[in-house]
Amino acid sequence: AQSVTQPDIHITVSEGASLELRCNYSYGATPYLFWYVQSPGQGLQLLLKYFSGDTLVQGIKGFEAEFKRSQSSFNLRKPSVHWSDAAEYFCAAEDNNDMRFGAGTRLTVKP
Amino acid sequence: NAGVTQTPKFRILKIGQSMTLQCTQDMNHNYMYWYRQDPGMGLKLIYYSVGAGITDKGEVPNGYNVSRSTTEDFPLRLELAAPSQTSVYFCASSYSRSGGGYTFGSGTRLTVV
Repeated sequence: AQSVTQPDIHITVSEGASLELRCNYSYGATPYLFWYVQSPGQGLQLLLKYFSGDTLVQGIKGFEAEFKRSQSSFNLRKPSVHWSDAAEYFCAAEDNNDMRFGAGTRLTVKP
Repeated sequence: NAGVTQTPKFRILKIGQSMTLQCTQDMNHNYMYWYRQDPGMGLKLIYYSVGAGITDKGEVPNGYNVSRSTTEDFPLRLELAAPSQTSVYFCASSYSRSGGGYTFGSGTRLTVV
């Protein structure tokens, strides 16, 4: 069955440290891949998306993600985390208009 | 440019009551979706629509109904509310069938007691 897995439920990083959030997908063919961010009490906002081509994708707010076909992964990264990045992050995969979301990773940023 | 607007933001229902969650988008998107979000479960698709007059079931449609009489509006109807329907509900829209990413509303937090 098609699925998206985010192995980390909760991650804590210090402000200014680097960040990597993991995402793995299980699909027959490579789906469209997305990362969304959800601030408390808000809807999801699209950070970036991958269709094909360059495996390193740049998004908004200084985020990037790397697609690795061999590992069926699409990990989100940021070189230096700001306190305002504290939120929940969702990886999603879409195939034939069927968008599936991971369970989310909650990011806490320590001062 | 409002994007996707959901009302109400919060609601408490008693078991057996019914209600309609409203969703309106002003981006002329053909595709619209209803998701529910439960802690640790991500988002699950309830219903979706590919255009006015066309709707289809998602992963968890039981207990819900939708209609799409206009491009802008996609209301979600709960009949005979049950505690299992306590959740946060998100409406979303997209301009393309695949690959465009979704624009989400800010959600409706529903509690059934």
